[in-house]
Amino acid sequence: AQSVSQHNHHVILSEAASLELGCNYSYGGTVNLFWYVQYPGQHLQLLLKYFSGDPLVKGIKGFEAEFIKSKFSFNLRKPSVQWSDTAEYFCAVKGSQGNLIFGKGTKLSVKP
Amino acid sequence: EAQVTQNPRYLITVTGKKLTVTCSQNMNHEYMSWYRQDPGLGLRQIYYSMNVEVTDKGDVPEGYKVSRKEKRNFPLILESPSPNQTSLYFCASSPRLAGGTETQYFGPGTRLLVL
Repeated sequence: AQSVSQHNHHVILSEAASLELGCNYSYGGTVNLFWYVQYPGQHLQLLLKYFSGDPLVKGIKGFEAEFIKSKFSFNLRKPSVQWSDTAEYFCAVKGSQGNLIFGKGTKLSVKP
Repeated sequence: EAQVTQNPRYLITVTGKKLTVTCSQNMNHEYMSWYRQDPGLGLRQIYYSMNVEVTDKGDVPEGYKVSRKEKRNFPLILESPSPNQTSLYFCASSPRLAGGTETQYFGPGTRLLVL
């Protein structure tokens, strides 16, 4: 069965620090990968997605992610975080039935 | 405005009292789905629907029912709620699944407490 692992449960950074959140998936075939963000008290919003092509994907709010097929990874990065980036981040892979298989999420706390 | 709506947003109920959480989308999406979100477990799929009158179980369907009589609506039914169904529920929709490459759009969530 497909699965997604997010390595960090809670990350605490100061403003302007660089961010990298790890995500590994288990499926070996063609993958559709996503990063969603959930701000406190809000619903999930799509940050970025990878379907094919350039493995470096740019999303909203300065986020990017790199698909590395050989490592089954899709890590999320941002060069300089802001306090407003405090949220929970979910990596997901599209399953065979069209469902999204989510990782358990990483909470990011950015100290001003 | 293109959106997925859920009602109610917050609900407190007691064990065994049937309830329905509604979900509606105005984007003419074929695919709709219900997830529950629990701390430390992320989001897990309950049920999904590929189109009208087509529904299938997700990863955690026990204790839930769904129906898809119209394209825009996908209600989640708890016939006899139990405390372990206390959770945050999200409905999502997506355009047709051809190629399996469509993004899912999420509703605002329904926070359910079963006493």
